[in-house]
Amino acid sequence: GDSVTQMEGPVTLSEEAFLTINCTYTATGYPSLFWYVQYPGEGLQLLLKATKADDKGSNKGFEATYRKETTSFHLEKGSVQVSDSAVYFCALSDQPGTYKYIFGTGTRLKVLA
Amino acid sequence: SAVISQKPSRDICQRGTSLTIQCQVDSQVTMMFWYRQQPGQSLTLIATANQGSEATYESGFVIDKFPISRPNLTFSTLTVSNMSPEDSSIYLCSVSGTGGYTGELFFGEGSRLTVL
Repeated sequence: GDSVTQMEGPVTLSEEAFLTINCTYTATGYPSLFWYVQYPGEGLQLLLKATKADDKGSNKGFEATYRKETTSFHLEKGSVQVSDSAVYFCALSDQPGTYKYIFGTGTRLKVLA
Repeated sequence: SAVISQKPSRDICQRGTSLTIQCQVDSQVTMMFWYRQQPGQSLTLIATANQGSEATYESGFVIDKFPISRPNLTFSTLTVSNMSPEDSSIYLCSVSGTGGYTGELFFGEGSRLTVL
């Protein structure tokens, strides 16, 4: 079946460091890919998404490119801030028009001042 | 967008008891979903709850264990019945947007249950 694999955390970085959180997926079709973020004390919220190969999703300085050849959707940010400390979830949806997701296990990011 | 409130935010329960989690949304939404996140695991969809119809359960989840109500377009409850320590998890309510399909889900903060 379909699956999402994320790098294990926690990831600890200093402020202004470069961030990469790896995400790879297994899917039989052409899924849409998502990154959700959960800040402390809040619910998950959509950070960015990409719906087809080579699409780049971006938001709040974060980017991720849909790489079909490597089945990856790695999250990157050039300069992290303390306020980026959160748990990041990679997810896919392989049923167009539905809200059926498969989530990764989440990666906790801690940014130190 | 949608703002979702869940109650309780956390609880400690005794084995064999049942607990009902409430999910209140600030706008009318068609589709509501209940997820479970076991320790160290990913989010797993329990069921989809649409107003006016029976909830649709995913493989491995049954109505007797996780009865769901959806009395209107802004409210739903999930009951975890006859709890065991294996039910210790975070339970999350989520909803689709109020406009057309976007693929985006909105989540509550979750209800963290610990079963002793």
